[in-house]
Amino acid sequence: GAGVSQSPSNKVTEKGKDVELRCDPISGHTALYWYRQSLGQGLEFLIYFQGNSAPDKSGLPSDRFSAERTGGSVSTLTIQRTQQEDSAVYLCASSLGVRNSPLHFGNGTRLTVT
Amino acid sequence: AQSVSQHNHHVILSEAASLELGCNYSYGGTVNLFWYVQYPGQHLQLLLKYFSGDPLVKGIKGFEAEFIKSKFSFNLRKPSVQWSDTAEYFCAVNAAGSGGGADGLTFGKGTHLIIQP
Repeated sequence: GAGVSQSPSNKVTEKGKDVELRCDPISGHTALYWYRQSLGQGLEFLIYFQGNSAPDKSGLPSDRFSAERTGGSVSTLTIQRTQQEDSAVYLCASSLGVRNSPLHFGNGTRLTVT
Repeated sequence: AQSVSQHNHHVILSEAASLELGCNYSYGGTVNLFWYVQYPGQHLQLLLKYFSGDPLVKGIKGFEAEFIKSKFSFNLRKPSVQWSDTAEYFCAVNAAGSGGGADGLTFGKGTHLIIQP
């Protein structure tokens, strides 16, 4: 079946501009995660949504980062006033949200801030 | 909070060589352990996982990993690597029984494996 879909696959933006990254999780997956993958830094947890519960925003690096999930499905990660250090691959993952359910990752959005 | 350490950031091997990638974690409780693989240009895929039971787990493509609780380790092994194993490998851990959130997966920084033909 369809996997996790992210768009755009690549995004180049100028410093100071806002960007929106989109994630379509696997149908029926109630849990959705955003991670950031920077060169040499591995995967950094950003934010987590589970059903209708308040999201866990503990990983967001600054108040320029925000995310929402509409209707329990599609999620948008917004970065305001982008900085060069925001350049990374932003990965979305979803899971069934039940005990021990594995994550399924999208292909990511490669963000380059010039 | 948990943390994961992967000791080798870059590994270069020849085809047919044996592979062992180290992974150590720190966490005070019971854990689930994972290895994910990211082939060039592709998304992260689950290679294998350990939840409980037999500490030697087998995954796809001939990979296996052994959970050694006393050493807080979950090293990935393969007896004979192939050129197609060239990829980035990530070890990850979360608290046993978690569905995510504050107990979501914590990843290591990854090991870039290059197999030379």
